[in-house]
Amino acid sequence: GENVEQHPSTLSVQEGDSAVIKCTYSDSASNYFPWYKQELGKRPQLIIDIRSNVGEKKDQRIAVTLNKTAKHFSLHITETQPEDSAVYFCAAMTSGNNRLAFGKGNQVVVIP
Amino acid sequence: GAVVSQHPSWVICKSGTSVKIECRSLDFQATTMFWYRQFPKQSLMLMATSNEGSKATYEQGVEKDKFLINHASLTLSTLTVTSAHPEDSSFYICSARDSQGLITEAFFGQGTRLTVV
Repeated sequence: GENVEQHPSTLSVQEGDSAVIKCTYSDSASNYFPWYKQELGKRPQLIIDIRSNVGEKKDQRIAVTLNKTAKHFSLHITETQPEDSAVYFCAAMTSGNNRLAFGKGNQVVVIP
Repeated sequence: GAVVSQHPSWVICKSGTSVKIECRSLDFQATTMFWYRQFPKQSLMLMATSNEGSKATYEQGVEKDKFLINHASLTLSTLTVTSAHPEDSSFYICSARDSQGLITEAFFGQGTRLTVV
């Protein structure tokens, strides 16, 4: 089945700087890649997603890029703010088997 | 976004008893539901994927006789932890998606904190 790897496990950035989290996936048939943000004690919330027919997607300070050849996708957060501090999970899904597999998560700490 | 409600939010049970957790999609039909287990400061470990009206697909290493999943309707899936033991104590969280419509996003329930004593 799909195996999703996420790096780095922890990332500290100064407020205002950019943060980048990278994920790799193993199944070349995967075609949907969401990113979730989970704050302490809360449920994961979708922040952005991308499908395999698109290389990049942006929503205000958040962007996701997808490299299908290399089988990796990245989350980019610009102008980071303290409220961006959370755990971020990437995931991959193959529509054929309808299975949503997550990476191990990345703890992002924005230092004021 | 769509709403997924999970109940109960937390439960304490005695070792050897069974606990049922419900996951409901409130404003859409969830043809697929996922059950995850999350340990403190760790990732969401997929336990099983259930499609309405059919048997759940369990991930490798997950005992299907211990973690019973029922997805009998398009808005409800249940996870029953049978003969619970302290090592089953964890945070269980479900997510649901409507795979028949344009929505492919998976929405999460608020999770259930299970403590087995």
